[in-house]
This record gives sequence, C-alpha cells and structure tokens, in this order.
Amino acid sequence: QSILTQPPSVSGAPRQRVTISCSGVTSNIGNNVVNWYQQFPGKAPRLLVYYDDLLPSGVSDRFAGSKSGTSASLAISGLQSEDEADYYCAAWDDRLNGLVFGGGTKVTVL
Amino acid sequence: QMQLQESGPGLVKPAETLSLNCAVSGGSVSTYSWNWLRQSPGRALEWVGHISASGNTKTSPSLKSRAAISLDMSKNQFSLKVTSVTAADTAIYYCARSLADDAFDVWGQGTMVTVSS
Repeated sequence: QSILTQPPSVSGAPRQRVTISCSGVTSNIGNNVVNWYQQFPGKAPRLLVYYDDLLPSGVSDRFAGSKSGTSASLAISGLQSEDEADYYCAAWDDRLNGLVFGGGTKVTVL
Repeated sequence: QMQLQESGPGLVKPAETLSLNCAVSGGSVSTYSWNWLRQSPGRALEWVGHISASGNTKTSPSLKSRAAISLDMSKNQFSLKVTSVTAADTAIYYCARSLADDAFDVWGQGTMVTVSS
C-alpha cells in the first residue's frame, strides 16, 4: 500500500477536464513539494510537474499541478487520446526519511 | 542532451547481490544528484536511493540497509548494489537524474532484473 493515496483510475471524454488527487499527510505533502510523473506502458516515466505547479520545458500547458495542505492535484484539460497513461505523484517524507510515491492513476479517454 | 543507460545482469539468484550501473552521457556525474528507482511488474514506482555529486548517499528505509549507491567519476557512471535479494526485488530498475527537491527530469530506459534460482 502506497504512502500517498491516488485514485486507481479516472476517465473522461475528449476535450473534457479531469483531475487526479494525491492525498498525504503533514510529513510528506504538508512539508515538501510534490512532483508528478507520466508513464506510458513499457516506457520510463517522464517528469510532468515539479515544485507543486511548475511545468518542465516541453510539457503542454493543458497539465496543471496544485497543492493545498496535505493534498495535491493534477488537472488535465482538453483531454486527448495521447494523454492515456499512468500518472504518479511523489514527495519527500520527513518521518520516513525517504521519497514516497502514490499508487498511480490510470487515465482513460472514453 | 543528457542520456542515461542502465546495465547489469537480468537474472540474479536469491540471496545473492544485484549490481547495476548507470552510464551518463552528455553531461557529468560531478553535478546534480543521481537516483535509482524500481517498479515491480504492474506496481507503482518505488524510490531506492540517491547519491549527490559530493558522494553523500541516502537509501530507502524499506530496503533495510541492503542497498548501496556509489559514484565513479572516472567512468562517468553511478552504481547500485542490493544484497540478499529475494523475489520481492524483481523489478524494472531505472536510473534518473534529480534536480533539487527530487524532481527526476532525466531517466534511463530501465532494465528488468529477475530474482530466481
């Protein structure tokens, strides 16, 4: 069982907006930044959002990260078929003294 | 453009030591921090540990001191050793570069390691 909690799956129709939640506690999300990764089957993950809400160069602005208290979210607007992938949140945990991940969320475009 | 490439045996026997290397090209290991992560089949990502350019290391408490990470500046690579492996260590192992605050912005393609007799 993962330290950070994500829904196993979310789905939406093309052009819709979906949101993936990532729930933690004070020692991880409450005290540290959250990063998000996108992973296609059989591929290495890709950094999607860092420092809670910043986009690396080359990442579409249809992706947006946010954080409030001990929860973070990743929003995908204008959903496209190419967004079908697994998404993971991650944060440092001060109590465990290690980096922790969420269990991952599979995004399906209907 | 920086690239990372993992290498090492794809099959390790139980109770033996898993050893992997990550070759860095297009940049130097003398900057940034370097990480190992793994992903068991069908499971979530798991952070294994990291090493800074100065050689300071930190490994995941979940590995119970079985993991060690080292840096070889002469070969521009870093390495992972996991001792006393079990089937639970079977996974795709990734190496990755991290920016500040553990944002992994460059990844290797991953290498599958199976623990089996």
